[in-house]
Amino acid sequence: SAVISQKPSRDICQRGTSLTIQCQVDSQVTMMFWYRQQPGQSLTLIATANQGSEATYESGFVIDKFPISRPNLTFSTLTVSNMSPEDSSIYLCSARTYRVSLDTEAFFGQGTRLTVV
Amino acid sequence: QKEVEQNSGPLSVPEGAIASLNCTYSDRVSQSFFWYRQYSGKSPELIMSIYSNGDKEDGRFTAQLNKASQYVSLLIRDSQPSDSATYLCAVNVMTNAGGTSYGKLTFGQGTILTVHP
Repeated sequence: SAVISQKPSRDICQRGTSLTIQCQVDSQVTMMFWYRQQPGQSLTLIATANQGSEATYESGFVIDKFPISRPNLTFSTLTVSNMSPEDSSIYLCSARTYRVSLDTEAFFGQGTRLTVV
Repeated sequence: QKEVEQNSGPLSVPEGAIASLNCTYSDRVSQSFFWYRQYSGKSPELIMSIYSNGDKEDGRFTAQLNKASQYVSLLIRDSQPSDSATYLCAVNVMTNAGGTSYGKLTFGQGTILTVHP
């Protein structure tokens, strides 16, 4: 298993500003994923971060709005840029390591509860 | 059709009963399936993974997989009030980005389970 430390756990931000969320994993992992979870909703994948290459974004999410870094195998950041109240949500980072024959489970950070005012 | 669809909730069962959670998926080639539990205000935690057709038991939990019917379920025996949570079905979907193949999890919308004393 992997332990993921995510920070900040919550923040209240002014519209128009940016917030960077950090995720630190206690072991090397292949892929890291960033999700958004609106209240009462399921998890929506924002992007996948692979070390050494640009992040891959899902439909509806763009790099200018959600730039991601993945400088090494244990760390990633997600920035929510030029925030508006619609960005208020919980942001979760996740990590997976892949075995040869099986796809492993994903582990999650504690989440960042973002409120934009 | 949604990629991963769970039975609509919320589901309410009495303590000691069996709770049955169902999930269907659209990607025929998916090979890995996961059930996560999410308590309110917390991040998802893995309960079960299943890769082969049939049943897999772990304590009070049994996951069932039928790839031909594209169906996966979770049974919780002897339900306890502490089982009250949202249960998320996740299906591994293979994708390719920048020449790298990897699996990403697609989540269902979740089923809210309440176990009442």
